[in-house]
This record gives sequence, structure tokens and C-alpha cells, in this order.
Amino acid sequence: GENVEQHPSTLSVQEGDSAVIKCTYSDSASNYFPWYKQELGKGPQLIIDIRSNVGEKKDQRIAVTLNKTAKHFSLHITETQPEDSAVYFCAASPGNEKLTFGTGTRLTIIP
Amino acid sequence: DTAVSQTPKYLVTQMGNDKSIKCEQNLGHDTMYWYKQDSKKFLKIMFSYNNKELIINETVPNRFSPKSPDKAHLNLHINSLELGDSAVYFCATRAVREGLPDFGPGTRLLVL
Repeated sequence: GENVEQHPSTLSVQEGDSAVIKCTYSDSASNYFPWYKQELGKGPQLIIDIRSNVGEKKDQRIAVTLNKTAKHFSLHITETQPEDSAVYFCAASPGNEKLTFGTGTRLTIIP
Repeated sequence: DTAVSQTPKYLVTQMGNDKSIKCEQNLGHDTMYWYKQDSKKFLKIMFSYNNKELIINETVPNRFSPKSPDKAHLNLHINSLELGDSAVYFCATRAVREGLPDFGPGTRLLVL
């Protein structure tokens, strides 16, 4: 089955700086790569996803990149703000039916 | 209106008890899931239902039994609760062939 590794497990950045979270996956059949943000006491919320037919996708301050050859994908958050503080999860799926999640990154934005 | 709702939000119970968690969605989605998030925040799928039919059943103890009375509901019944069942349980839904799962707010289960 799919195995997703995520790094780092914790990340602290100064407000206004950029944050980068990286994930690797094992199943070459995976073609859906979503990112979820989980705030304290809430369920994970989808923030962006990338499909295997593109290498990069951007939505305002958030961007994701995908390298299918190396089986890794990354989340980039620019101009970080205090409300970006949360736990972020990457996930991979060989169709969007069953997601395998990474272990999460706790991002703290320092004012 | 909340798209995916779960009840109860918190559940504290004794070992050996039987309890149920309910999930309701008003999105009209065909697929519903249960995920378990452990104390280390690790999220793992437990079950998936599509139009009331079981699609995915991961290696979950048979003390856990999902029930889907209709397309808008997927309940989780747990028999003989154990300490290791303490976790946050998330219901999620997805429209067929498009989109990715939308998660509910979670039910925090604590077994004493």
C-alpha cells in the first residue's frame, strides 16, 4: 500500500517569512496529492491539491509542487500570517477514494 | 447549516461500554468515510461507504461496526470499548468522481 512521509514534524517561522513542508510517497500509481490544514479542535480542511498531470499549482499565498519522478511534493506558504498556525497534512491517493495521510507538520507563526 | 455534522462532540466512557457516534451530511455526497486520529495526530481511514454500501474496510477490529441507514448518514457503533480506542473520530464525505473528502468537526472519544 501507499506510504507517505512528511517533514518536518514541527516548523516555526517569523511572521512574513515563507514556510515549506515536504512529503514523499511510495506508490507510483498515486495521482491525487491534497493538502489539509487542521486548526485546534477542528477537522482537517482541504486547502489545495495537485494532480499528477501538473507540476505546480498556486492559490494566492499557497503553492504546491510535484515531482513524480522523485515521488515528492511540497507545500509553500509565502508571507505567513498568525492565522496560518495549524497542523498541515499532506496525502496521496491512486484515485481520490482512499487517502493515505502524512504524519503532519505543526506550523507556528511567530509574531 | 453545517455541511458535515457529528454527534456527540465529546464522549467520555468506561472500558467495556458500547457507544455510537453519528454523522450526517447535507451535501448530497455519495461517499462517506470514518477516519481515526490518534494522540500523535496520525489520520487513518477506517471505513468508506458509497450509496450505503461498504467499499473500504481497513484492518479495524470487528468491535467497530459502521451503519448507513441512508445516503446522508453514516454512524459508527463501537462495542466493548478499550483504552486504545481513545482518539478523535472524523466523518468525511466526498462527491463521486470529483473532489476530495470534506471532514466533519470530529468526535473526541476518551475511554477510562
